[in-house]
Amino acid sequence: DVKVTQSSRYLVKRTGEKVFLECVQDMDHENMFWYRQDPGLGLRLIYFSYDVKMKEKGDIPEGYSVSREKKERFSLILESASTNQTSMYLCASTLVPDTQYFGPGTRLTVL
Amino acid sequence: KNEVEQSPQNLTAQEGEFITINCSYSVGISALHWLQQHPGGGIVSLFMLSSGKKKHGRLIATINIQEKHSSLHITASHPRDSAVYICAALKSGNTPLVFGKGTRLSVIA
Repeated sequence: DVKVTQSSRYLVKRTGEKVFLECVQDMDHENMFWYRQDPGLGLRLIYFSYDVKMKEKGDIPEGYSVSREKKERFSLILESASTNQTSMYLCASTLVPDTQYFGPGTRLTVL
Repeated sequence: KNEVEQSPQNLTAQEGEFITINCSYSVGISALHWLQQHPGGGIVSLFMLSSGKKKHGRLIATINIQEKHSSLHITASHPRDSAVYICAALKSGNTPLVFGKGTRLSVIA
């Protein structure tokens, strides 16, 4: 059974903290994505990666960075968390233009 | 204007009703996805289609490429169908999906 896991379901951080969100997939997928989801705005793409050590900016990359050192792991980094980054963060992976598999999500609250 | 538009935004139905959720897109696509998100956050893929119709249980997805329109139908709706349904367009090859904002469905017993 395919699996995408995220490091935390719920996370509370303080303004200015550095935050790491990790995503791991066990399907040997090349493509991995980070989204945030906010009420009324839907899913918005932050960053994506088509290969190891490769990254592309999505629609809302400001305030975020990513790291993909291994094929199975894609990390989202908030360099200095701010309250407007309070959101649900979802990771997904896919093999070429096929079904996207989503992780369970991390609900991040920045105080 | 969003490239992918869904309607309605919210939908409340009685158990047993036939439900239709619509998705229109303004860009050329190679495929269209329908996704389901239950309360709690997890998103699962229901369908990926590039032409015609697909059926899985009580769910049916159709697409009209010429009209740039897709529909998701639920027959004999049940409270467990209550979820957010999201359509997403794959423009071409290896590009990220473009998402609609979702339709929140509540089915009341």
